[in-house]
Amino acid sequence: GEDVEQSLFLSVREGDSSVINCTYTDSSSTYLYWYKQEPGAGLQLLTYIFSNMDMKQDQRLTVLLNKKDKHLSLRIADTQTGDSAIYFCADPRAGNMLTFGGGTRLMVKP
Amino acid sequence: DTGVSQDPRHKITKRGQNVTFRCDPISEHNRLYWYRQTLGQGPEFLTYFQNEAQLEKSRLLSDRFSAERPKGSFSTLEIQRTEQGDSAMYLCASSLDYGDYGYTFGSGTRLTVV
Repeated sequence: GEDVEQSLFLSVREGDSSVINCTYTDSSSTYLYWYKQEPGAGLQLLTYIFSNMDMKQDQRLTVLLNKKDKHLSLRIADTQTGDSAIYFCADPRAGNMLTFGGGTRLMVKP
Repeated sequence: DTGVSQDPRHKITKRGQNVTFRCDPISEHNRLYWYRQTLGQGPEFLTYFQNEAQLEKSRLLSDRFSAERPKGSFSTLEIQRTEQGDSAMYLCASSLDYGDYGYTFGSGTRLTVV
């Protein structure tokens, strides 16, 4: 996903907050998505945000969207070891085809 | 409905052989997508179907690749004359029409070409 960029790796301690960042280039998307992938598994839709929103909160997850800077972030509060996974942001194009970032590997240390 | 099913989960094949993967989407979903994911990368779009019509194909989909969705339900992805560079996870996803809140992905088929 050359048009969607993420940092490769994030390490946090259990109980801390994690913030995963993403930048994108396509400004016409109606939604932006966060997916989670555990080892050897497919992708699980974690949350999404409408492009006319700045923030969305869903239990431990907070999504922030800065349309001006084309920056999306996912904050996980009280990070648990079960949150260890790869997180992808995704930007839909025409036909709802998703363009994915390269993924951020989150490692949670006990 | 048990979600999106893909078969097989793993496939090891010799270079030059043909392989075929199957995807069964969520029954009421009319859109079906194929993605390919190589190690350490995000999924890359290959092709998608609206019902039985194949509406878009990526330039990644060489002429050795063909996908079908004959009755607008399950889909198959065939790779002819496999090459080592085809080794990847092949992911299928389905959704309702445009504007749906994301896709539902299957667990993928991991292809290893030796």
